[in-house]
Amino acid sequence: QVTLREAGPALVKSTQTLTLTCTFSGFSLSTSGMSMSWIRQPPGKALEWLARIDWDDDKYYNTSLKTRLTVSKDNSKDQVVLTMTKVDPGDTATYYCARLEPGYQSFDYWGHGTLVTVSS
Amino acid sequence: SYVLTQPPSVSVAPGQTARITCGANNIGSTSVNWYQQKPGQAPVLVIYYVYNRPSGIPERFSGSNSGNTATLTISRVEAGDEADYYCQVWDSSRDHPVFGGGTKVTVL
Repeated sequence: QVTLREAGPALVKSTQTLTLTCTFSGFSLSTSGMSMSWIRQPPGKALEWLARIDWDDDKYYNTSLKTRLTVSKDNSKDQVVLTMTKVDPGDTATYYCARLEPGYQSFDYWGHGTLVTVSS
Repeated sequence: SYVLTQPPSVSVAPGQTARITCGANNIGSTSVNWYQQKPGQAPVLVIYYVYNRPSGIPERFSGSNSGNTATLTISRVEAGDEADYYCQVWDSSRDHPVFGGGTKVTVL
């Protein structure tokens, strides 16, 4: 059974660094072809892809946010971590981690999401 | 790169058919995935690789893709189908996914 769960602060102040952790089970990110992504959704708005990390530690970022994002993984803990620097109120959103099904490039499992509010 | 255009809303009576479109230049040449998101919940994959349904997704959900439009069709709509629906493709040029703006389906 595959499960994902995001954890992080519910409230951060503008200009601070946000760190989110996704803990997963039911699969290994060290398995060839596996990949995880972070996706966010501002209140009432659409989904926005943020970052991706692959089983071989390749990393990809949303071009518009690339300078502020870092994604990493800890295979021993089955965790993926997203760091976002210099947050502002525009980063207020629900943040999801999701597993990418490599064959079909679809997100087949999602965490429940964690709402992060950035205060000014 | 792809820009996916979805209608903001679609309204449908129970028992009728809802069709949700996702438009982009030559989208028919690529694979499209669809997600259902109910209020306060995470998205759920309902169609992958154009027309495949994950385990547990009713046969009432189907997908198609041709030319500049991909379509998610929900047959015999039920009240429980009321949700936001998002299309998603893979932008090979930048090796990352792209989501549409979402369509809110209202069951009258």
